[in-house]
Amino acid sequence: AQSVTQLGSHVSVSEGALVLLRCNYSSSVPPYLFWYVQYPNQGLQLLLKYTSAATLVKGINGFEAEFKKSETSFHLTKPSAHMSDAAEYFCAVSDSGDYKLSFGAGTTVTVRA
Amino acid sequence: NAGVTQTPKFQVLKTGQSMTLQCAQDMNHNSMYWYRQDPGMGLRLIYYSASEGTTDKGEVPNGYNVSRLNKREFSLRLESAAPSQTSVYFCASCPEGWGNQPQHFGDGTRLSIL
Repeated sequence: AQSVTQLGSHVSVSEGALVLLRCNYSSSVPPYLFWYVQYPNQGLQLLLKYTSAATLVKGINGFEAEFKKSETSFHLTKPSAHMSDAAEYFCAVSDSGDYKLSFGAGTTVTVRA
Repeated sequence: NAGVTQTPKFQVLKTGQSMTLQCAQDMNHNSMYWYRQDPGMGLRLIYYSASEGTTDKGEVPNGYNVSRLNKREFSLRLESAAPSQTSVYFCASCPEGWGNQPQHFGDGTRLSIL
C-alpha cells in the first residue's frame, strides 16, 4: 500500500503570497495522484488529479501541481494566495488497479490579511 | 444535484449503544467508501464496496460493519460504540474505484461517543 507524506501540518501565508504545499509518496511506480481541499464542516472537494498526460497539472481556483517521478513528489502551488484559500488540503495516492486511496495527514492553510 | 448524502449530520451516543450511518449517492457510481477523519491523521479507510454486492475491509475495520444495500446506498454500523470511535465519518463514491477517477465525498457525520 502507498504511504503519503505531507510536510508541514500548518502553513501560514500572507494574502498575495505564494502557497506551496508538499506531498511525497512511497511507490516507485507512478501512481494516481490527487489533491483535495476541505473547508470547515464540509466534505472533501477535488482540486486536481494527475493523469499522466502532463507533469504539470492545473486545477480549480488557480492551483496547480507538478509531478516529479525522480523525487516521488506531487507538490501543490498557487502563485497568489486569497483569503478564500484558507482550508485544509489533502494529498491522496492510489496504485493502478487498486480501489483504495491513501491520504496524507493534511496541511491547514491560514491566510493573513 | 445532491451527489453524496449522509445522514445524520450529527449524533451523540453513549458507550455501548449501536447506530447506523446512512449514505446514498445519485451519480450511478459503482464504488463506495467509508472513512473516518481524526485530527492529524488524514482520512483512514474503514470499509469499501468496489461494486454492488461486494464489500472489503480497509485500514481500520475493527468495531464496524457495512452493508451495500443496493447500488445507491452504503451503510456503516457501529454495533457497540466506544469512545475511540468518536470521529467525523465520511462517505465517498467513485465511478470505478480502480481507475484514476476521483472520489466524491459527502459532508460528513460528526459522531461523539460519551
